[in-house]
Amino acid sequence: GAGVSQSPRYKVAKRGQDVALRCDPISGHVSLFWYQQALGQGPEFLTYFQNEAQLDKSGLPSDRFFAERPEGSVSTLKIQRTQQEDSAVYLCASSPGFSEQYFGPGTRLTVT
Amino acid sequence: GIQVEQSPPDLILQEGANSTLRCNFSDSVNNLQWFHQNPWGQLINLFYIPSGTKQNGRLSATTVATERYSLLYISSSQTTDSGVYFCAVGDNYGQNFVFGPGTRLSVLP
Repeated sequence: GAGVSQSPRYKVAKRGQDVALRCDPISGHVSLFWYQQALGQGPEFLTYFQNEAQLDKSGLPSDRFFAERPEGSVSTLKIQRTQQEDSAVYLCASSPGFSEQYFGPGTRLTVT
Repeated sequence: GIQVEQSPPDLILQEGANSTLRCNFSDSVNNLQWFHQNPWGQLINLFYIPSGTKQNGRLSATTVATERYSLLYISSSQTTDSGVYFCAVGDNYGQNFVFGPGTRLSVLP
């Protein structure tokens, strides 16, 4: 079946704009994760959903970051009033449970 | 939180050579995965290996959970093996992964 997909693949935003990043997990996967990867670094955890419940948002760097998964499938990561330090690759992963995670191709966000 | 170290940070090999990448972690884990991030940024699953040994073609991995380390072996390396190799671990308190800093591998023809 299809893997994890993310859109858009690339996003350029002017500082202060709001952006929305979409993740389509593997069908049937109950767990969904968002990670942020800065250039030259490993991915860092942002937030975790089990079905539609957001069980951990400890990694969100500020209250400008908001994630949702209203029907337990597709998820959206929203960043309000983007800042230059938000420039990074945003990765989404899904998992059938508490085990192996499968990653999407990421969205590269550049804030100018 | 759990700390993850990887060594070496950088590795340059001639095609056909073998290598061993190491991942050390500071606490007990219930999940461990090895990934290869290709030049296009895609994280490719190599092994899900919280304990034991697995092999897949030229790659194999061993995790000794009681001693808090995992090893990834690459034999007869090819230029397409180039990229960054990440170890990611999940502790017993949450579901997310903590990634190591990666090992950047360059395989020369």
